Amino acid sequence: EAGVTQFPSHSVIEKGQTVTLRCDPISGHDNLYWYRRVMGKEIKFLLHFVKESKQDESGMPNNRFLAERTGGTYSTLKVQPAELEDSGVYFCASSQGRGPNEKLFFGSGTQLSVL
Amino acid sequence: LAKTTQPISMDSYEGQEVNITCSHNNIATNDYITWYQQFPSQGPRFIIQGYKTKVTNEVASLFIPADRKSSTLSLPRVSLSDTAVYYCLVGAPGGSYIPTFGRGTSLIVHP
Repeated sequence: EAGVTQFPSHSVIEKGQTVTLRCDPISGHDNLYWYRRVMGKEIKFLLHFVKESKQDESGMPNNRFLAERTGGTYSTLKVQPAELEDSGVYFCASSQGRGPNEKLFFGSGTQLSVL
Repeated sequence: LAKTTQPISMDSYEGQEVNITCSHNNIATNDYITWYQQFPSQGPRFIIQGYKTKVTNEVASLFIPADRKSSTLSLPRVSLSDTAVYYCLVGAPGGSYIPTFGRGTSLIVHP
C-alpha cells in the first residue's frame, strides 16, 4: 500500500514568489491534515480536510496560505507571496477515520526555504 | 485539551532500556494516549496507543498508571536506529479533536 506522498521534497524560493506544495494521501483516507514545523519549534497544526471540505483551518497563519482538496483526493497548499518566516518543513498526514484512536500516517514533508 | 509535558531530550546507549515519561495531569475520561516517533527528514510515525494499564507491541510498551495522569513509553534494548524524537499526544474521539504535537523528546542513542 502506498503511503502519504508529498511533492516537492525541497523547495527554495525567493521572498515574494509563489510556491505550491502537494500531498497525496493514502487512498481511501477521508481525513487529511497539514502541519508545519518552523526550525527549533514544535509541529503546528495548519488545517484539516474531511474529503473536500475544510473542517478546521484555525492553524492557518494568514491569508497568504491557501489549501485546497478538489475531489477529496490530493491536496495542495499554496503560499503566495512567500515571506521569510514561512520557511520550515510542511507535513501532510491522512487518516481513515477521525479521533485519537485513529492512526495518522505522515508524509516525509516538504522543506521550504524562503530566501 | 489535555496539555502534555515531556523531557526535552534524553541520552542512552545501545542495548539499554529507555523510558520516556509524559505528564498529562488534566487528562479527561475519554482521552486516549498516543505516541509517535519521528526520524530526521521524515514525518512522525505512529508507535503505540493506550487508554489504561499496559499495552505492548513489537516496537514498544506503554505503561499507564491507574490515575492516567502520566504515561511511560518503554523502548527495550535500544539501538542507534532508535535515535529520534518521540511525541506524546492526548485526546478524545469525536468533536473537534485535532492531533496536537508538542516539542517531543529528542532521544539520542550512543554506541
